[in-house]
Formats: sequence, C-alpha cells, structure tokens
Amino acid sequence: DGGITQSPKYLFRKEGQNVTLSCEQNLNHDAMYWYRQDPGQGLRLIYYSQIVNDFQKGDIAEGYSVSREKKESFPLTVTSAQKNPTAFYLCASRLTGVLNEQFFGPGTRLTVL
Amino acid sequence: ILNVEQSPQSLHVQEGDSTNFTCSFPSSNFYALHWYRWETAKSPEALFVMTLNGDEKKKGRISATLNTKEGYSYLYIKGSQPEDSATYLCAFTGNTPLVFGKGTRLSVIA
Repeated sequence: DGGITQSPKYLFRKEGQNVTLSCEQNLNHDAMYWYRQDPGQGLRLIYYSQIVNDFQKGDIAEGYSVSREKKESFPLTVTSAQKNPTAFYLCASRLTGVLNEQFFGPGTRLTVL
Repeated sequence: ILNVEQSPQSLHVQEGDSTNFTCSFPSSNFYALHWYRWETAKSPEALFVMTLNGDEKKKGRISATLNTKEGYSYLYIKGSQPEDSATYLCAFTGNTPLVFGKGTRLSVIA
C-alpha cells in the first residue's frame, strides 16, 4: 500500500535533547512538508522540500532542521534551540503542482519533559 | 504571512441537518484552494482542489463553491450524519506551499 509513515506515534524527550522525527513516503512524490499543530492553532509550516538535496524554511523554522538525501525520506530534527517543542507534528507529501492534493502521515506527538 | 480564516471555529448540528462553513483567503495571486477532512485519530484527507472562479465541486453529500474575486469558499454538507464529524480544513496556495486555516470542528449529534 502506498502512503506516508511517521514514527514513532508518541515520543518523549528530556528538555535540552535533540530528537529526530522520521517521515517516509512510497508515493514517488517530489515535495515533502513538515507541519506543527498546537491546540487552537492551524497547521503551521516548519520546512518543506520540493526536490532531493534542497529544502526551504517555512513560517516557523527556528529551532528545527531537516535533510532530504533521498526522495522517500524527510526527517525533522527538533533541536534544543526550539523553545516550545511539545506539539503534534505532521508530515505530508504531494506531486509538484498546485492542483495536486496533499497526503498526510499519521503524525507524531512529541512531549518534552 | 498569508492569512486564511475559517468560520465558525466549531459547530454542533443534529443528524439530518444541513450545514455550511466558510473559508476566506487572499484574492490576489490565487492558484488553488484545497479542502481537507480530518477525523479524530486519522490523517487529514483531501476533499476538493478548486481553481476556477465560480467552480462548484461535489462528493456525495458534500459540496464546495469558490469565489476567487472576493476570496471565499463555502463547504456545504447536506443531511449531516455522525460520520461527518471531523475538522474541516481549507488551504490556499498562490504557487507557494499550502497555507492552512485553523479549521471548523463539526460535531453531528445522533
């Protein structure tokens, strides 16, 4: 089955530790995205990548880093510089082009203790 | 930062009622407007992608209209059912990554 996987579903980390969230897709999509959702907020774009080995900052990139070494994979690292990392993180992908719908992973809920 | 507004924030309706909600977006540099349904414990799923002013799309009991000149889209649900309970997100693109509204949370009471 084609789709997007994110692991783990729940993640707990101590304050000050970096943590990497995984996102893998087998849809052969060029573009991949990372969003964050907080209570009462919409989906806010952290980083996106439209092609391998290239990525751009979204609206709230501070304290995060990404890599896109393979088309299928777009891991997100939440660094210790992120002031409020506890949130729900969604990964998405789509074929390039504004008419194409976006597909989402199941999300990872990160709690920093 | 582009602003996409959705109203109402939440809505409770009785089973069988018809309902609608609104998405407002910038009317300049418009490329497409997306609607997604996000059920609890699931991933958001696309309902419609709309590009043309005056366009109307339908999927079962759900339909959507688009006015790009004034910058709004309506989503209609006819004869709401409990399985329609979800958060409905709209997202605007001006040849940029999608900008999402905060969503309308619909609860359909049996």
